[in-house]
Amino acid sequence: DIQMTQSPSSVSASVGDRVTITCRASQGISNWLAWYQQKPGKAPKLLIYAASSLQSGVPSRFSGSGSGTDFTLTISSLQSEDFATYYCQQAKSFPLTFGPGTKVDIK
Amino acid sequence: QVQLAESGGGLVKPGGSLRLSCAASGFTFSDYSMNWIRQAPGKGLEWISYIESGSTTYYADSVKGRFTISRDNGKNSLYLEMNSLRADDTAVYYCARDRGGVSAWCEDYWGQGTLVTVSS
Repeated sequence: DIQMTQSPSSVSASVGDRVTITCRASQGISNWLAWYQQKPGKAPKLLIYAASSLQSGVPSRFSGSGSGTDFTLTISSLQSEDFATYYCQQAKSFPLTFGPGTKVDIK
Repeated sequence: QVQLAESGGGLVKPGGSLRLSCAASGFTFSDYSMNWIRQAPGKGLEWISYIESGSTTYYADSVKGRFTISRDNGKNSLYLEMNSLRADDTAVYYCARDRGGVSAWCEDYWGQGTLVTVSS
């Protein structure tokens, strides 16, 4: 199985800050990576697929990059509605696996 | 608009069974693969099962042999039959649509989830 790790596990930031979250796969997954945002009590929401493609309707302040084993999600200017937990997920092979999540909270 | 609505969750004793349903609308259900993903209280996301638009299925090792995914394209519905339930199956269960195409195996629409609690 492909293991996914994320860093940091949590980050405190202010509105307007640039936030970067890192995801690493235990083996190469090319660009088969997705990012999700989850707010408390809500279902996850797809932000990025294929490592860097923005899902329809997602603000352009979100961007993804990377290939192989190392990936990043960047929020260019954090907004109040972005405080949430972010998960990466490999889409290379079954079983599909998620990272443990990164919580972005208010500084 | 795409909507997914899970139902069937509840309290069940260890060793018991439960059947979850997911009603889909707003898209051609038969064209899409579907997933079940769960989240234990306060924990992260765990993918547990996938079914293609035909009949090919995949399972996580944690549920293989105990859970069965199925679909009825005529009823636009996805199901998860859960047997031999254990305390560590306690979670919110989400159905989620596979995005498909060249970006398959990620999930672009999710239901609101249904809570399954396994406890005596």
